[in-house]
Amino acid sequence: GNSVTQMEGPVTLSEEAFLTINCTYTATGYPSLFWYVQYPGEGLQLLLKATKADDKGSNKGFEATYRKETTSFHLEKGSVQVSDSAVYFCALYNNNDMRFGAGTRLTVKP
Amino acid sequence: DTGVSQNPRHKITKRGQNVTFRCDPISEHNRLYWYRQTLGQGPEFLTYFQNEAQLEKSRLLSDRFSAERPKGSFSTLEIQRTEQGDSAMYLCASSSTSGGATDTQYFGPGTRLTVL
Repeated sequence: GNSVTQMEGPVTLSEEAFLTINCTYTATGYPSLFWYVQYPGEGLQLLLKATKADDKGSNKGFEATYRKETTSFHLEKGSVQVSDSAVYFCALYNNNDMRFGAGTRLTVKP
Repeated sequence: DTGVSQNPRHKITKRGQNVTFRCDPISEHNRLYWYRQTLGQGPEFLTYFQNEAQLEKSRLLSDRFSAERPKGSFSTLEIQRTEQGDSAMYLCASSSTSGGATDTQYFGPGTRLTVL
């Protein structure tokens, strides 16, 4: 079946630090992969997506590359800001089935 | 594009009562999804519609949960005989099957249910 496993949090970084949040998946076929972000008090927002192997999704300085050989879609940002503090969810969509990871809470301190 | 809206944003009810939530999708989206999110977890898929047809409902949590989308626009999720374990955030999302972006879902702000 389809499933997503992401790095447990919480993650605390200083401003301008490098961020990596790991995400691996299990799926048959060729799922689409996503990162969603949930800011405090707000709903889920699509951050980036990739639909096929070796695609790189990017938005707001965040990047993730669809790695089929390692079944991974790790989220990275070179220099985080306080405003990036949020919960990040990795997700996959495969055969009309959407699965989310448990979320990773990121706190960025000035 | 006004986004996905959900009402009410918060609902407090007593155990055993019925509750109904409403979702209005993005206007041109023909697919609508319902999820439940509990504290510290990712959203858990419940059911989805394409237009007015409910194409998947086997993952509704129990027969106390039901959903409708009678005219293919807004949808309602009803929970009958609520239990304290139903306390959660209920999320709605929508997507479009045209333009090759069926997989991309846009979420509403959610309805937070508290069952006393």
